[in-house]
Amino acid sequence: QITLKESGPTLVKPTQTLTLTCTFSGFSLSTSGVGVGWIRQPPGKALEWLALIYWDDDKRYSPSLKSRLTITKDTSKNQVVLTMTNMDPVDTATYYCAHSRGGVFDYWGQGTLVTVSS
Amino acid sequence: DIQMTQSPSSLSASVGDRVTITCQASQDISNYLNWYQQKPGKAPKLLIYDASNLETGVPSRFSGSGSGTDFTFTISSLQPEDIATYYCQQYDNLPPIFGGGTKVEIK
Repeated sequence: QITLKESGPTLVKPTQTLTLTCTFSGFSLSTSGVGVGWIRQPPGKALEWLALIYWDDDKRYSPSLKSRLTITKDTSKNQVVLTMTNMDPVDTATYYCAHSRGGVFDYWGQGTLVTVSS
Repeated sequence: DIQMTQSPSSLSASVGDRVTITCQASQDISNYLNWYQQKPGKAPKLLIYDASNLETGVPSRFSGSGSGTDFTFTISSLQPEDIATYYCQQYDNLPPIFGGGTKVEIK
């Protein structure tokens, strides 16, 4: 059974760096073809893909946010970490991590709401 | 980036009605198109992958079709538990883009 869970701060101040951790079970991020992605959703708005890391450590980022994002994995801990620098109130959103099989997000975490406010 | 245009943005239908949502890609994406259901306060759930394949455990009243640039998602007989927002998502090219969503309500 595949599960994922996001963790991190619920409130960050403008200009701060956000660090979110996705802890998963039921699969290995060293298995060929597997990836973990991050997707966010501002309140009342649509889903926006942020980043994806693959089993071979290939990393891909949203072009519009690439300069602010870093995604890493710790295979031994079954964790994927996303950092986003220079946070702004427009980054207020629910952040999800999801298991990816070739671009299909088939298992999602419950999401974590991050509010950016001073 | 590929643009995904989903329509309508919202709809209201009666229980038992057939509901259809469309998604149009700005360029050919073959069949690299998924459909997700998101209920209020919940994470999205994969329903359809590769345009027409039903994810395991998903009721057969849900279906998808299309290829290239034009795709359709159908609920053959709307049920009260289908109240949700539905999203298409392309993955032919990175970045994987989601459509704007269709909110389905009961009339």
